[in-house]
Amino acid sequence: DTGVSQNPRHKITKRGQNVTFRCDPISEHNRLYWYRQTLGQGPEFLTYFQNEAQLEKSRLLSDRFSAERPKGSFSTLEIQRTEQGDSAMYLCASSSDFYEQYFGPGTRLTVT
Amino acid sequence: AQTVTQSQPEMSVQEAETVTLSCTYDTSESNYYLFWYKQPPSRQMILVIRQEAYKQQNATENRFSVNFQKAAKSFSLKISDSQLGDTAMYFCAQEETQGGSEKLVFGKGTKLTVNP
Repeated sequence: DTGVSQNPRHKITKRGQNVTFRCDPISEHNRLYWYRQTLGQGPEFLTYFQNEAQLEKSRLLSDRFSAERPKGSFSTLEIQRTEQGDSAMYLCASSSDFYEQYFGPGTRLTVT
Repeated sequence: AQTVTQSQPEMSVQEAETVTLSCTYDTSESNYYLFWYKQPPSRQMILVIRQEAYKQQNATENRFSVNFQKAAKSFSLKISDSQLGDTAMYFCAQEETQGGSEKLVFGKGTKLTVNP
């Protein structure tokens, strides 16, 4: 068990560019979450997958954001036409049916 | 929507002493889970302790214990025999099941510094 991994760890992009982040959950976990954490705040929920199905999306997830989890394994989060307000730490977490979410190290996005 | 409030933005404690971090929450659900997560500087978030609301007994994990007051919607974390490695951000979180997922709703966190 190598834990939840996220790539890249850091991403600097110019406003208007598209970015994609990847999350690899713990292998036997069927549930996967994306959260966003800005400076001085706790993580905020973005979206949730159970296996390959995206079952819930937060109103924070504008139409510039899209997430996928093909085959119920890894997940990607894409942000199109990035804005400076998108600068944040993007956290991925996974869980089985036992209510403990395991977090990855996050991807820190800086939009210049 | 559920809310979680941590009223102490920062706290400090001397090594080997005891410190208590406060958390209150708001929910209309009768059964739910509460969590404390620790986020060390530049490191990933890890679970410290979990409490199931239908259990009256307070959860404990080694030096970490909670004081769960369901009627008051209070969920404080006590760290005994504080160690330098306890220095971190601590987040209180509640599981929210509305919408189909067991997502977590977090407070803003308490920055704890353990001084030698």
